[in-house]
Amino acid sequence: GAVVSQHPSRVICKSGTSVKIECRSLDFQATTMFWYRQFPKQSLMLMATSNEGSKATYEQGVEKDKFLINHASLTLSTLTVTSAHPEDSSFYICSACAGAAKNIQYFGAGTRLSVL
Amino acid sequence: AQSVTQLDSQVPVFEEAPVELRCNYSSSVSVYLFWYVQYPNQGLQLLLKYLSGSTLVKGINGFEAEFNKSQTSFHLRKPSVHISDTAEYFCAVSESGGSYIPTFGRGTSLIVHP
Repeated sequence: GAVVSQHPSRVICKSGTSVKIECRSLDFQATTMFWYRQFPKQSLMLMATSNEGSKATYEQGVEKDKFLINHASLTLSTLTVTSAHPEDSSFYICSACAGAAKNIQYFGAGTRLSVL
Repeated sequence: AQSVTQLDSQVPVFEEAPVELRCNYSSSVSVYLFWYVQYPNQGLQLLLKYLSGSTLVKGINGFEAEFNKSQTSFHLRKPSVHISDTAEYFCAVSESGGSYIPTFGRGTSLIVHP
């Protein structure tokens, strides 16, 4: 149980385009999902907490207009990187909580974004 | 606020040898502790967690970890590693209670040589 699907696994795009990444909880409902960014050989950096039916909560230093998060249903959250630039190239990982506890998270497989 | 320190960025070991990956944390309150494994180009998979009770926690793939409150440590161990254990391992800590998001360490790369 507690499977999280993330799509696409890899995307290559031109500078200036927008990219949407989907995160789905397949066998449970997730009122809270999280978006992380991971730089090479480094740990996960929490970008934002996505709450179903309300606005996302962004961490300090993360541009909300750059990284748009939508959590329209209990099983789907999307991250849109708007007007992507090479410095946005990174590994993005989503996670979801199966219940109210935020400290037990189930992770997607990640999305490798490369902006040319 | 809490923090996590993984002292070793890389741990090379031969197949079938034992391994210990170190994790120390700091927090002024009670904590929950986690170990995750990440294979190349994949998300994180929970290996084991300590929430309460026995300080020796057993997880998947033959791993175990021991919570030592006095030393504020949660080291991960495996008595005999396999090539397939080669991966990145992350220690994480959160304040106890369900509403706190974990803080992750920088990760330790376990490299198992034949």
